[in-house]
Amino acid sequence: DAMVIQNPRYQVTQFGKPVTLSCSQTLNHNVMYWYQQKSSQAPKLLFHYYDKDFNNEADTPDNFQSRRPNTSFCFLDIRSPGLGDAAMYLCATSTRDPGSYNEQFFGPGTRLTVL
Amino acid sequence: AQSVTQLDSHVSVSEGTPVLLRCNYSSSYSPSLFWYVQHPNKGLQLLLKYTSAATLVKGINGFEAEFKKSETSFHLTKPSAHMSDAAEYFCVVSDRYDKIIFGKGTRLHILP
Repeated sequence: DAMVIQNPRYQVTQFGKPVTLSCSQTLNHNVMYWYQQKSSQAPKLLFHYYDKDFNNEADTPDNFQSRRPNTSFCFLDIRSPGLGDAAMYLCATSTRDPGSYNEQFFGPGTRLTVL
Repeated sequence: AQSVTQLDSHVSVSEGTPVLLRCNYSSSYSPSLFWYVQHPNKGLQLLLKYTSAATLVKGINGFEAEFKKSETSFHLTKPSAHMSDAAEYFCVVSDRYDKIIFGKGTRLHILP
């Protein structure tokens, strides 16, 4: 089945130690998104790629970076994680093909713990 | 500008009784509207979507929603709640490809 895969599902890191979260997709969608979701809150968009075009949300901290080496993969790098960065990180994809209406397909998420 | 308001942060219903989760939206364009469900420690799953084809939209697991332009609403309903419906529900509006707005979510509790 076509899907969005996130690895690892659970990630533990230390305060200030860089960490990378991974997302891959078999849907061949041209848009990929990264969301941060804290407990009992809605997902908050960090940034998205439309093909190779990177779009950063205005309030996304500089501590968060992203890479998209090809259509299938997208990475979220947190350069110096703080305690406030502990959250669920969700990857999603969509296509801008006519008739898609911007429906997003979500991965299962990576739960990040910062010690 | 677009926005979405989920009118209840928590809803509790008894198993077997109807479910109503309320969502109001604001949009300058013809919006697409979605309901997603999220079970604990899981990603978001699409329940249903409105894309201007039909105002009454049927989704998975017996859920449906009606788009009412005059009331700017897109409420989610289910005739009979099941214990497995206990989850967080998000109403989402999109009227441009790069503008997707989430509601704050409604936690649905199912009482035995």
